[in-house]
Amino acid sequence: EAQVTQNPRYLITVTGKKLTVTCSQNMNHEYMSWYRQDPGLGLRQIYYSMNVEVTDKGDVPEGYKVSRKEKRNFPLILESPSPNQTSLYFCASSPRTGGSYEQYFGPGTRLTVT
Amino acid sequence: DAKTTQPPSMDCAEGRAANLPCNHSTISGNEYVYWYRQIHSQGPQYIIHGLKNNETNEMASLIITEDRKSSTLILPHATLRDTAVYYCIVKWVRDDKIIFGKGTRLHILP
Repeated sequence: EAQVTQNPRYLITVTGKKLTVTCSQNMNHEYMSWYRQDPGLGLRQIYYSMNVEVTDKGDVPEGYKVSRKEKRNFPLILESPSPNQTSLYFCASSPRTGGSYEQYFGPGTRLTVT
Repeated sequence: DAKTTQPPSMDCAEGRAANLPCNHSTISGNEYVYWYRQIHSQGPQYIIHGLKNNETNEMASLIITEDRKSSTLILPHATLRDTAVYYCIVKWVRDDKIIFGKGTRLHILP
């Protein structure tokens, strides 16, 4: 089944403790992206990647890092999480050639930083 | 900022057609209109997209005005499962930066 998976789905952590949220897709998509969703602010793009080793900032990149060493994986790294990073996070992937470029979203990761 | 304007919320009776409007008066010639929806806190789901012509698939129809400054997403026979936030997005197909906006919260009434 074609899908985007995220792990963990739920995470409670403390300020300053480094964490990684993994994202993987099995559709051979070139494009992957991370979003956060907060009440009243909608979905905001954090980082995106056009292909392996190619990443760029979205609208709210501060406090986050990403890497794209393999096509299928796009982990989101919080080196020193803070309470304002408490949010619902979504990973998405999309083809960039020969199609309609619709994005496929993962199920979400609910992160709480205390 | 989002390039689109949508009403914050709408109601529709179950079984009736739901018509969700979107204004995109600054759309450029190579930009497509995409629609997604998000049910509760699940990941957004792609619905449909179009450039100039009206489009239809198994989920919905997309009507784009001739001047392309607005569009309407039509869910022909709304059910309770269509209750969701619907996002209208304008972008060039190979745009890598995507802005979702706040969407329209559609309530389907039994």
